[in-house]
Amino acid sequence: KQEVTQIPAALSVPEGENLVLNCSFTDSAIYNLQWFRQDPGKGLTSLLLIQSSQREQTSGRLNASLDKSSGRSTLYIAASQPGDSATYLCAALPDLPQGGSEKLVFGKGMKLTVNP
Amino acid sequence: SQTIHQWPATLVQPVGSPLSLECTVEGTSNPNLYWYRQAAGRGLQLLFYSVGIGQISSEVPQNLSASRPQDRQFILSSKKLLLSDSGFYLCAWNRQKHSSYNSPLHFGNGTRLTVT
Repeated sequence: KQEVTQIPAALSVPEGENLVLNCSFTDSAIYNLQWFRQDPGKGLTSLLLIQSSQREQTSGRLNASLDKSSGRSTLYIAASQPGDSATYLCAALPDLPQGGSEKLVFGKGMKLTVNP
Repeated sequence: SQTIHQWPATLVQPVGSPLSLECTVEGTSNPNLYWYRQAAGRGLQLLFYSVGIGQISSEVPQNLSASRPQDRQFILSSKKLLLSDSGFYLCAWNRQKHSSYNSPLHFGNGTRLTVT
């Protein structure tokens, strides 16, 4: 059974720092790995999706990498800003022999606070 | 472009009352549809998912039910709410995995349900 872990649960940093958010998963048989952002009281917003055959994806100041062999994904945020403050969640879509899964397995998220 | 609508945004209901939350998706056909619940400190819990009209998979035994009367409509219901049903309910969609496009999961803005 796939399990996704995000450590630490919270992080507080000063503005301008380059950040690394970690995500680990127990089963390397994944179809893709997705990163989301959630603002307080809102739904989740998709940030990046990395297919199992890819090593990384970039969008603006965000870069996500995937290492299936070690069961890890990282989200890099360059030059952090107060507007980046939110909870960040990662999720793995299992790739099962019987035809695959449609069900993402989520981590519990990491609450990021960027202080001005 | 695709959009997802979820309503109401907030709801306060007494114990024992019925529940109906509705979600619709525009701009795509034959999506996978999901209902999640997010409780404080417990992460995202998948409640139901559907890969087609009338096809509902239940992930957690409880007093909730889901229906998909139309291709892009997903409804979460209960006949009698419990205090433990309080939480933040999120509807989501993505394209089915067999398509050529690796689809991220897209969420609605959620419904904050308080059972009193």
